[in-house]
Amino acid sequence: KAGVTQTPRYLIKTRGQQVTLSCSPISGHRSVSWYQQTPGQGLQFLFEYFSETQRNKGNFPGRFSGRQFSNSRSEMNVSTLELGDSALYLCASSLGHGRAGTEAFFGQGTRLTVV
Amino acid sequence: QKEVEQDPGPLSVPEGAIVSLNCTYSNSAFQYFMWYRQYSRKGPELLMYTYSSGNKEDGRFTAQVDKSSKYISLFIRDSQPSDSATYLCALAYNKLIFGAGTRLAVHP
Repeated sequence: KAGVTQTPRYLIKTRGQQVTLSCSPISGHRSVSWYQQTPGQGLQFLFEYFSETQRNKGNFPGRFSGRQFSNSRSEMNVSTLELGDSALYLCASSLGHGRAGTEAFFGQGTRLTVV
Repeated sequence: QKEVEQDPGPLSVPEGAIVSLNCTYSNSAFQYFMWYRQYSRKGPELLMYTYSSGNKEDGRFTAQVDKSSKYISLFIRDSQPSDSATYLCALAYNKLIFGAGTRLAVHP
């Protein structure tokens, strides 16, 4: 069974640009969550999607957005990039929402560097 | 106050030692408790998942939950150099909240 696939693995962008990251969940999983991981702040929750609807959102500015498609694949977008957005962005998939969403499996992450 | 507190370490132990990793939490709404292992430049890997107080064992790993004290632990027996990684506790009610992670180094 294939795991969670995130693309690309590495990205270098310039301040002010925008970026789109992609996540393909485990087959049969319908929930996708996104996290930002930095050395100073650890793993911070960005948002969760289930059945193409955003179910939960963390405390991030509106520059961070996401969406989920009918095949459960998800994308997140960051507009007007800032140096502080440099981080490892992780996607996690789970079977469903609520309790079914608590057992989450992570992808390898996309390492974004903003210069 | 953070919802989940975890000592970031680093923790350095000799091969074969018993390792104890711990987290405390403040919100009694947490119902599900997990431990993840993260190697450098990799995504977190789910190690243990439990939703009740008590112990759960899987090979060399034992997860312990004490809801009355709001305290969870992960024990690693006969630690190996391959166990060297960052260990993150994660707690959930309707979303996952992670601890800061403890860096563990097991030296031969």
